[in-house]
Amino acid sequence: GAVVSQHPSRVICKSGTSVKIECRSLDFQATTMFWYRQFPKQSLMLMATSNEGSKATYEQGVEKDKFLINHASLTLSTLTVTSAHPEDSSFYICSARVGGTSEQFFGPGTRLTVL
Amino acid sequence: GQQLNQSPQSMFIQEGEDVSMNCTSSSIFNTWLWYKQEPGEGPVLLIALYKAGELTSNGRLTAQFGITRKDSFLNISASIPSDVGIYFCAGQLRGTSYGKLTFGQGTILTVHP
Repeated sequence: GAVVSQHPSRVICKSGTSVKIECRSLDFQATTMFWYRQFPKQSLMLMATSNEGSKATYEQGVEKDKFLINHASLTLSTLTVTSAHPEDSSFYICSARVGGTSEQFFGPGTRLTVL
Repeated sequence: GQQLNQSPQSMFIQEGEDVSMNCTSSSIFNTWLWYKQEPGEGPVLLIALYKAGELTSNGRLTAQFGITRKDSFLNISASIPSDVGIYFCAGQLRGTSYGKLTFGQGTILTVHP
């Protein structure tokens, strides 16, 4: 149980384009999902918390207009990187929280490369 | 923001050896979680701890929630090559809502056959 999928696993795009990443909880309902960014050999950096049916809560320093988050259902959250630039290249990972606990289950991640 | 100090940063051990890593903080945590991440993958939950003093095992892994609620350790016994990866501690600070976690810096584990 507690399986989280992410799509796509890898994306390469041109500078200036927008990229959408999907995060799905496959076998449970997740009222809360989280989006992280991770640079090589570093820890996970929380970008935002996504609650179903409400606006996402962004961490300090994360541009909400650049990283659009939508959590339209209890099993799907999306992260859209708008007008991507090379400095946005990174490993983006989502997680879903099992209701009533602090346990977060992570997706496999999306490697974004902006040329 | 709040920080978790995880140590050691990296470990190079021989197969069969035991491993120990820990996380400490000046803040009190309600929950401690330990994750393992392999290259190009998302972290996988290994052990979850909810009570001060709690000692929990998962196969060759054992983790404890420190009695002061400010620290936790993870032990791996009789290491094998597939234990290679980055291990992260994560905790939920007391008073934090919606399950937001604070992560340690990670421990890179290398196991030589």
